[in-house]
Amino acid sequence: SQQGEEDPQALSIQEGENATMNCSYKTSINNLQWYRQNSGRGLVHLILIRSNEREKHSGRLRVTLDTSKKSSSLLITASRAADTASYFCATDAGNAGNMLTFGGGTRLMVKP
Amino acid sequence: EAQVTQNPRYLITVTGKKLTVTCSQNMNHEYMSWYRQDPGLGLRQIYYSMNVEVTDKGDVPEGYKVSRKEKRNFPLILESPSPNQTSLYFCASRKYGDYEQFFGPGTRLTVL
Repeated sequence: SQQGEEDPQALSIQEGENATMNCSYKTSINNLQWYRQNSGRGLVHLILIRSNEREKHSGRLRVTLDTSKKSSSLLITASRAADTASYFCATDAGNAGNMLTFGGGTRLMVKP
Repeated sequence: EAQVTQNPRYLITVTGKKLTVTCSQNMNHEYMSWYRQDPGLGLRQIYYSMNVEVTDKGDVPEGYKVSRKEKRNFPLILESPSPNQTSLYFCASRKYGDYEQFFGPGTRLTVL
């Protein structure tokens, strides 16, 4: 079952602008992670936020988590053409195996 | 170099012809998992393994088998492939106690 739902499904911005992607999920979680996927390639881990955290930063990335609303957002500041990719949120519910449940992803295009 | 490898990267086959997609990781990770990725559906987990000889079903296990005889390898077996198994497949691994998953480059499978 798909736990996370990303919004928007697609986003097109100009280089230098900020990009915000949102993720909603259904059940309680242990942590939430964001991954990036370049076209047809494997996913790369970007950042993890635990359920007891509200905000986290890593370079140009800022992630927020609102467990009361079961939602998270990923902000990429000062975007670059190289940020063009699909971005997925993934929830870890702490189940056996601690494996992830992914959302449908947001396709980000950054125009030079 | 720490990595997850998959073979083959591309495969076109016919209905009913058994095939195996191999996955290997060199990071001594305990957890391994298989996902399939279909447009608009994100990644869905097929099977996962918490260690050697320990495997369990994910969200979409029907039509697939796995085995974990060695820690580094986690092959995905399609005994009788059908066209609805045409998809992009990813293997992933992570270390016990960590949350970040490392993904392979993907295997694009077409079943005619």
